[in-house]
Amino acid sequence: EAEVAQSPRYKITEKSQAVAFWCDPISGHATLYWYRQILGQGPELLVQFQDESVVDDSQLPKDRFSAERLKGVDSTLKIQPAELGDSAMYLCASSPQTGITNYGYTFGSGTRLTVV
Amino acid sequence: DAKTTQPPSMDCAEGRAANLPCNHSTISGNEYVYWYRQIHSQGPQYIIHGLKNNETNEMASLIITEDRKSSTLILPHATLRDTAVYYCIVRSSHTDKLIFGTGTRLQVFP
Repeated sequence: EAEVAQSPRYKITEKSQAVAFWCDPISGHATLYWYRQILGQGPELLVQFQDESVVDDSQLPKDRFSAERLKGVDSTLKIQPAELGDSAMYLCASSPQTGITNYGYTFGSGTRLTVV
Repeated sequence: DAKTTQPPSMDCAEGRAANLPCNHSTISGNEYVYWYRQIHSQGPQYIIHGLKNNETNEMASLIITEDRKSSTLILPHATLRDTAVYYCIVRSSHTDKLIFGTGTRLQVFP
């Protein structure tokens, strides 16, 4: 069964350092999402890509977060500088195409970030 | 996007059916009901979705009321591995987003 790959699985970083997460969606999936999940809460959508273009980044804290998907395949989410409140699980998901609601997203296993 | 209301937690005995309710009274005609679950420290896993008809797959059944204002996810024979947080989500065809709430924490006990 096809999977969404994420790395690293765990990351510990010091406050004010830069950190990056990588996601490789299912082959052929045009739409890619990044979510953040704080312990005890549901996932919160940060950014949505259609191919290499950002469709929605309204919930992305742009002063410190950035996301890119340069060739419309894999994606990187970066935080600089990291703050204690950024400690969370960062999840990546993909789906075949925006606008097809009769299809679920497939999520990766996530990256657990701890900022110390 | 329509909001959903779920009980924060439920218990179920192993081998029994688990019935997880969800209210979505503001759902509109072109919005789908999706169910995902999340086992501890893993990413959410797709279970099932429906528009207005009842649906069944190898994992679960989804019962949607005729007025579409509520639904029930049924795990017919719950196992210990079904212990997870279950999310009911209304997905808008306009925004295409999956907006998660806080879900129902299902505990299956022996």
